[in-house]
Amino acid sequence: EAQVTQNPRYLITVTGKKLTVTCSQNMNHEYMSWYRQDPGLGLRQIYYSMNVEVTDKGDVPEGYKVSRKEKRNFPLILESPSPNQTSLYFCASSSPGPTNYGYTFGSGTRLTVV
Amino acid sequence: QKEVEQNSGPLSVPEGAIASLNCTYSDRGSQSFFWYRQYSGKSPELIMFIYSNGDKEDGRFTAQLNKASQYVSLLIRDSQPSDSATYLCAEDRSGGSNYKLTFGKGTLLTVNP
Repeated sequence: EAQVTQNPRYLITVTGKKLTVTCSQNMNHEYMSWYRQDPGLGLRQIYYSMNVEVTDKGDVPEGYKVSRKEKRNFPLILESPSPNQTSLYFCASSSPGPTNYGYTFGSGTRLTVV
Repeated sequence: QKEVEQNSGPLSVPEGAIASLNCTYSDRGSQSFFWYRQYSGKSPELIMFIYSNGDKEDGRFTAQLNKASQYVSLLIRDSQPSDSATYLCAEDRSGGSNYKLTFGKGTLLTVNP
């Protein structure tokens, strides 16, 4: 089944403790992206990647890092999480070209930083 | 900052009626637009993609794009209770490559049986 898989689904952590949220897609997509969703603010793009080793900042990149060493994986790293990073995070992927109909989203990771 | 604007709702319609959802955008350079549906606690799922002026129909859904007036709309005919969800409008800001999507805050639709 074609899908974007995120882990973990739920995570509670403490301020300052480094964490990684994993994302993997099995559709051979070039494009991958991370979004966060907050009440009243909607979905906001954190980082995106156009291919292996090619990443760029989205609208809210502060406090986050990403890497794209393999085509299928795009982990989101929070080096020193803070409470304002408590949010619902979505990974997404898509492919360029005439069949690009936008992102397919993963199931989400609900992160709480205390 | 250029934004995508949506009425937050809630928009309430009776079953069988037409639901009309609207979205305006400020970046005249945007070429592609998307409508996603998001059920509570779930991830967004793509409903419609449109890049040409005019209407695009897919089953009960019709997307309308007017680039001169900078608005996109989604019509849902014969609305069903299962259509109750938040509808997200998104524009592409990557010049047509669709990797830099900016979303509106969404409109909550409730379809009453």
